[in-house]
Formats: sequence, structure tokens, C-alpha cells
Amino acid sequence: AQSVTQLGSHVSVSEGALVLLRCNYSSSVPPYLFWYVQYPNQGLQLLLKYTSAATLVKGINGFEAEFKKSETSFHLTKPSAHMSDAAEYFCAVSDPGTGNQFYFGTGTSLTVIP
Amino acid sequence: NAGVTQTPKFRVLKTGQSMTLLCAQDMNHEYMYWYRQDPGMGLRLIHYSVGEGTTAKGEVPDGYNVSRLKKQNFLLGLESAAPSQTSVYFCASSYLLGGVSYEQYFGPGTRLTVT
Repeated sequence: AQSVTQLGSHVSVSEGALVLLRCNYSSSVPPYLFWYVQYPNQGLQLLLKYTSAATLVKGINGFEAEFKKSETSFHLTKPSAHMSDAAEYFCAVSDPGTGNQFYFGTGTSLTVIP
Repeated sequence: NAGVTQTPKFRVLKTGQSMTLLCAQDMNHEYMYWYRQDPGMGLRLIHYSVGEGTTAKGEVPDGYNVSRLKKQNFLLGLESAAPSQTSVYFCASSYLLGGVSYEQYFGPGTRLTVT
């Protein structure tokens, strides 16, 4: 089965600074990788997805992620943080080997300091 | 197009009581999932369904039952609620792309407290 690790359960950045949220998946290459965002008291919303078409994936709200097979990573970045980016972020992978279950990381809470 | 809806949004139960959470999707998705979210533990899969009339256990199925009698609905039941089941429950649905489950669409969640 796939597994996903998110390093850093809490990340704080200043407004305007680079946002970097880390995600590593297990060694077998997953078909699809995802980043979701969750605002307080809401469900999860898709930020972006990797589908093997391109290693650099652009998503909504200025976020992007790069798939690096050699590092088994799919880190999320944004050049300049906004106050509205404060939320919980989840990395996920789908695994057809286990009945198409999704596996989520434990999440990273992003705080943006004014 | 409402997407994925969940009812109720909030519920308080006493230990030993039962309840059913309803999830409905109008996107004709084959796959549906129930997760629970607890602080510091991310989302954990309770049960899922790969089609009408089929269900399967996820990571934390104990104490829960599910049914998928109609393609658009996925019900999660708690027969005898316990305080350990206090959590936020999310339903999700997805479709297949190339035989693989593609992105999930999530409902707004149900906040359940068991006293």
C-alpha cells in the first residue's frame, strides 16, 4: 500500500515570503498525487494534481508542486504567501493496488504572519 | 449541481445511541468514501464503496457499518456510539480515469460529539 509523509505539522511564514510544504510518498510510483487545502470548519478542496503529464503542476491560488521521482517527493510551493493562505494542507495519493483507496498525509497547518 | 452533500452537519449523541449519516452525490461517481478526521491524525478511511451494492473496509472500520443501496447515496451507521467516535466525518466521491480512482470531491463534513 502507498504511504504519504508530510514533514512539519506546523509551518509559519511571513506574509510575502515563500511557502514550502513538504510531501514524500512511498517508493512505488503512484499514478496520481494530490494536494488538498482545508479552511477552518470546511471540507477539503483540491489545490492541484499530478497525473504524469508534467512534473511541474500548477494549481489554484498561485500554488504549484513538482514531482521528483528520484526524491519520491511532491512538495507544494507558493512564491509569496497571503494571509488568506492560512489553512491546513494535505498531500494524498491514490492507489489502485488497494482498491483505489486514497492515502492522506497527516496534514500541515500553515500560519501566515502579517 | 450540488456536488457532495452530508446530513446532518452537527450531532450530539449519548453513549450507546445509534445514528446514520447520509452522504449524497450528484456527479454519477462510482466510488464513495467515508473518512474521520481527528486532530494530528489526518484523514483515516472508515469504509468505501466501489459501486452500488458493494462496500469494503478501510483503515478504521470497527464500530461502523455502511450501505450503498443507490449509486448516489452512501450511508454510515453507528450502532452503539462511543466517546472514541467523537470526530468530524467526511464523505467523498471519485470517478475512475484509466482504471484508477481520480480526484476526490469532499462533502462539508459532519461534526459528531458522543458524550
